Amino acid sequence: NAGVMQNPRHLVRRRGQEARLRCSPMKGHSHVYWYRQLPEEGLKFMVYLQKENIIDESGMPKERFSAEFPKEGPSILRIQQVVRGDSAAYFCASSLLGQDNEKLFFGSGTQLSVL
Amino acid sequence: AQSVTQLGSHVSVSEGALVLLRCNYSSSVPPYLFWYVQYPNQGLQLLLKYTSAATLVKGINGFEAEFKKSETSFHLTKPSAHMSDAAEYFCAVTDTGGFKTIFGAGTRLFVKA
Repeated sequence: NAGVMQNPRHLVRRRGQEARLRCSPMKGHSHVYWYRQLPEEGLKFMVYLQKENIIDESGMPKERFSAEFPKEGPSILRIQQVVRGDSAAYFCASSLLGQDNEKLFFGSGTQLSVL
Repeated sequence: AQSVTQLGSHVSVSEGALVLLRCNYSSSVPPYLFWYVQYPNQGLQLLLKYTSAATLVKGINGFEAEFKKSETSFHLTKPSAHMSDAAEYFCAVTDTGGFKTIFGAGTRLFVKA
């Protein structure tokens, strides 16, 4: 019974390149959340998706960042034209019902380094 | 809008000593509160959660937390620290009817032998 799977674990990009981060939720979960973690800053909410729908993207930067969760396949967080400030750990979490009192299951994260 | 404040980015205790990690919340409606733990190079794992059933919540690994509405606090405690408790701890909140969990900045716990 695999948990939340994120890949790659480490991603190195040069400034201006694109970064694609993948997240497969736990089996049966249809609610996915993306968070960004910077040192000493905790986790910052980015976006909440259900299958084929973006429910809340209030934490996403207005430009260069996008997310999707297609009917089939993993959720993708896409960062276009990366800059050094995008370097961070990106965590995906999933939940079964998307309820407010429900715990989140986290992946091990993708560490993005922009050179 | 809901938020949580964790007092102290770093806490150091001796093995066997009491662990106390502080969390205060700000929410316009009754919240759901959580404590998560993160070990190095791993994702977060749930320690315990408060959902209004009882003000004292017991979690895994001997941790517990008490919800105090008058103080808007949800501090995490453990009577006796173990070396394996060294990790980063995050307090989190979700508003009733909400779907977005907001995390505090985290407190890194160091345990000295």
